[in-house]
Amino acid sequence: AQSVTQLDSQVPVFEEAPVELRCNYSSSVSVYLFWYVQYPNQGLQLLLKYLSGSTLVKGINGFEAEFNKSQTSFHLRKPSVHISDTAEYFCALYNFNKFYFGSGTKLNVKP
Amino acid sequence: DAGVIQSPRHEVTEMGQEVTLRCKPISGHDYLFWYRQTMMRGLELLIYFNNNVPIDDSGMPEDRFSAKMPNASFSTLKIQPSEPRDSAVYFCASSPGPRLGELFFGEGSRLTVL
Repeated sequence: AQSVTQLDSQVPVFEEAPVELRCNYSSSVSVYLFWYVQYPNQGLQLLLKYLSGSTLVKGINGFEAEFNKSQTSFHLRKPSVHISDTAEYFCALYNFNKFYFGSGTKLNVKP
Repeated sequence: DAGVIQSPRHEVTEMGQEVTLRCKPISGHDYLFWYRQTMMRGLELLIYFNNNVPIDDSGMPEDRFSAKMPNASFSTLKIQPSEPRDSAVYFCASSPGPRLGELFFGEGSRLTVL
């Protein structure tokens, strides 16, 4: 069975501080992993993806994520957040033509 | 490209009424997915199509829900009769092939059933 767990439902952080959004997955086979961002009243947009190769993946807006197979994790990081990063972030796993999404983490960046 | 287009953006209806949500995928995308998003259950995959053929509808909650894709540029999700617990945001997403790793989402249709 495939599943994605996002441990934090909400993460408050001050502007220009670093942030890490945690994601753990469960799968019996090799997977592709993604992070999507959802701004209010919009659909989801791809931030970054891991398909193979380097375990450190860089995405848009200064975000990056590291695939850790032994810990079955794919945590999202940004060294310095902006107010505009306030949104909900979804970790997702792809397998057998389906995407499995986590429950989402709301990032609230405060001035 | 205009992206994935969904209509209506907002729908308010009364219990028992029929609801039809529409989706136009990105041209050339062979896969189309319907998702439902609620606070309680997050993002749930309802059904997906490949080349207009429904491949997996195991996520469709019950027989009141049906989806069609009569051609490569149009899909509908129908709820008949609607119930208050169907209130949610329904997203359509298309992809050139999921192994390429990206779903392109529409802006969603927010359904409220009174």
